Amino acid sequence: GAVVSQHPSWVICKSGTSVKIECRSLDFQATTMFWYRQFPKQSLMLMATSNEGSKATYEQGVEKDKFLINHASLTLSTLTVTSAHPEDSSFYICSARPPGSYEQYFGPGTRLTVT
Amino acid sequence: AQRVTQPEKLLSVFKGAPVELKCNYSYSGSPELFWYVQYSRQRLQLLLRHISRESIKGFTADLNKGETSFHLKKPFAQEEDSAMYYCALSKAAGNKLTFGGGTRVLVKP
Repeated sequence: GAVVSQHPSWVICKSGTSVKIECRSLDFQATTMFWYRQFPKQSLMLMATSNEGSKATYEQGVEKDKFLINHASLTLSTLTVTSAHPEDSSFYICSARPPGSYEQYFGPGTRLTVT
Repeated sequence: AQRVTQPEKLLSVFKGAPVELKCNYSYSGSPELFWYVQYSRQRLQLLLRHISRESIKGFTADLNKGETSFHLKKPFAQEEDSAMYYCALSKAAGNKLTFGGGTRVLVKP
């Protein structure tokens, strides 16, 4: 089956710094990737849709200047949390969709802790 | 805007008993409905899609447009069914997903 990886699996950073999270589709090309955020004991909330070669589409209420998304290749999308604050601490999950497929394949998630 | 509601946060059943996870949605068009499952320490994975109308691991789900529901059922729960279950909706195939709050299922021996 299709596999999506995320790196790192967990990261701790200090307030004010930036951190980059990578999402890779390992065995398929993904023109579309999605970034979700999950708070403890809560559901997944879509942050943005990442399209290869074009700007990401952000959901209402998500600051595009704070959560920078780059989808430079068909197998890699990155999410950069800029000037991180403790309230940005969360579990970030990406998913990728092969062209022509209805199914999204999810990564294992990245736990971000901002101190 | 679309919305997905899973009223039960936790369902605890004994092995062999039936289990039903409720999912209600609100969307003015014709949505695609899904059930995703997340086993302990594993990633989210697709369990069912309403269009395929298939049974996976003994689970079935029927889309009821009149009641705007997509409840997940299994007649005889197994311990390995213990997991977090999410109902999700998308406006069209391959489009972004809106998730419900999730239901944790605990199957006791």
